[in-house]
Amino acid sequence: EEQLVQSGAEVRKPGESLKISCKTSGYSFTTQWIAWVRQMPGKGPEWMGVIYPDDSDVRYSPSFQGQVTISADKSISTAYLQWSSLKASDTATYYCARHQNDLLTGYASLNYFYGLDVWGQGTTVTVSS
Amino acid sequence: DIVMTQTPLSLSVTPGQPASISCRSSQSLLHDDGRTYLYWYLQKPGQSPQLLIYELSTRISAVPDRFSASGSAKDFTLNISRVEAEDVGVYYCMQSIQVPLTFGGGTTVEIK
Repeated sequence: EEQLVQSGAEVRKPGESLKISCKTSGYSFTTQWIAWVRQMPGKGPEWMGVIYPDDSDVRYSPSFQGQVTISADKSISTAYLQWSSLKASDTATYYCARHQNDLLTGYASLNYFYGLDVWGQGTTVTVSS
Repeated sequence: DIVMTQTPLSLSVTPGQPASISCRSSQSLLHDDGRTYLYWYLQKPGQSPQLLIYELSTRISAVPDRFSASGSAKDFTLNISRVEAEDVGVYYCMQSIQVPLTFGGGTTVEIK
C-alpha cells in the first residue's frame, strides 16, 4: 500500500526553526514528484512547491520561495519541509502529497505536474509566543 | 496565478438527491495536448484531501460512479447523482496547467 506518513504536531515560538518530515512507502520514492501543501485554519489548500527525489530538483510557488526549504533523503524515502525562522502566520496544517505521473507515459514530467493522488495525514504547526 | 472560483460556497442536500458544484478558472485549462488539467478533491471532516477526479472527468478507481465531472476550457462541474451521508465534506477543484498549482475556495456539502 502506498503511504505517506508525516511527523507529529509541533508547537514553536516565533523566530524558531523547524523541520517536518514525510516518510513514504509502497512505491518507488525517486520516480514521482512530492508536493507540500499548506492549509491555514478554515481555508483551502495552497500548493507550496515540489521536489523530485531522484535528483532533488525543487520548484517553489513564488508565494513560498525564500520562506521555506524543501528537501529529500532518498536513502530513507523521506521528504522534508523546513523553516529557519517561523512566524505566527505559518500556523497551519501542512500536507505532503504525491503527484501522479503522466498517465500517458507513466513517467514524471520535467515541466508539468498532475493530480495529487496520495496524501499524508498532515502535520499541524502552531507558532505562538 | 490562475484563480479558481467555486460556487456555491455550501450546499445542503437531502440523501438520495443530486448535487452540483461549479468551478471556473481565470485562464483556460485546456492544454495544446488536448488534455484538460482540472482535478476534483474531497476533504472529509478531519481528514486529508482525497483525489476524486483527474484531468477533467476521469474518476479514481475507488470513487463511486455516482460522481461525474465535465466541463470546457474554463468552466467545470462536479455532479453527484444521489448524495449519500459519506459524501459530506469540502470539495475543491484544482488546476495544474500552470505553476503555481491553485485550488478553488471549496464547497461544503452537508446532509439535510
